[in-house]
Amino acid sequence: AQSVAQPEDQVNVAEGNPLTVKCTYSVSGNPYLFWYVQYPNRGLQFLLKYITGDNLVKGSYGFEAEFNKSQTSFHLKKPSALVSDSALYFCAVRDLTGGGNKLTFGTGTQLKVEL
Amino acid sequence: NAGVTQTPKFQVLKTGQSMTLQCAQDMNHEYMSWYRQDPGMGLRLIHYSVGAGITDQGEVPNGYNVSRSTTEDFPLRLLSAAPSQTSVYFCASSYDRTVNYGYTFGSGTRLTVV
Repeated sequence: AQSVAQPEDQVNVAEGNPLTVKCTYSVSGNPYLFWYVQYPNRGLQFLLKYITGDNLVKGSYGFEAEFNKSQTSFHLKKPSALVSDSALYFCAVRDLTGGGNKLTFGTGTQLKVEL
Repeated sequence: NAGVTQTPKFQVLKTGQSMTLQCAQDMNHEYMSWYRQDPGMGLRLIHYSVGAGITDQGEVPNGYNVSRSTTEDFPLRLLSAAPSQTSVYFCASSYDRTVNYGYTFGSGTRLTVV
């Protein structure tokens, strides 16, 4: 089955510093990769996706992600973190196994941006 | 454009009770799905549908039923609630069955079974 792993349960960063939220993937074939953000008591919101093309993908709210095929990674990045970026972040991969298409999610990484 | 609407937002059930979680989308999306979110486990797929009249099981289907009589609606039924079904439930839709475009999520239903 296709899968993604988010190795960090929590990431802490100071406001104004760059942030990285890590994601690695395991797929057969070409990966379709996504990042979502969840604010407290809210549904998940789409940030960005990689299907093909440039390895650096730009998304909403100033976020970007770098696709690295050799390292099977899709890390989420932002040059300058804001306190308002504090939220739960999920990496996901399109999963074609099991007879139906779906997104398979990682376990999530809690980002905390402090003043 | 409301997107994906879930009702209710909160629900408390007693063990053994049944209920239906409602999900409706107004984007004419072909694909709809239900996930549950539990701490440390991410989101797990319960059931999904690639069109009206077509449903299939996901990763954790036991104890849940679904139907898709229209493109817009995809209700999730808990047949006999158990404490293990305490969770936050999300409905998600996608433009078509390839899910290449990712999902649009509802705001969730927080269910507690006592």
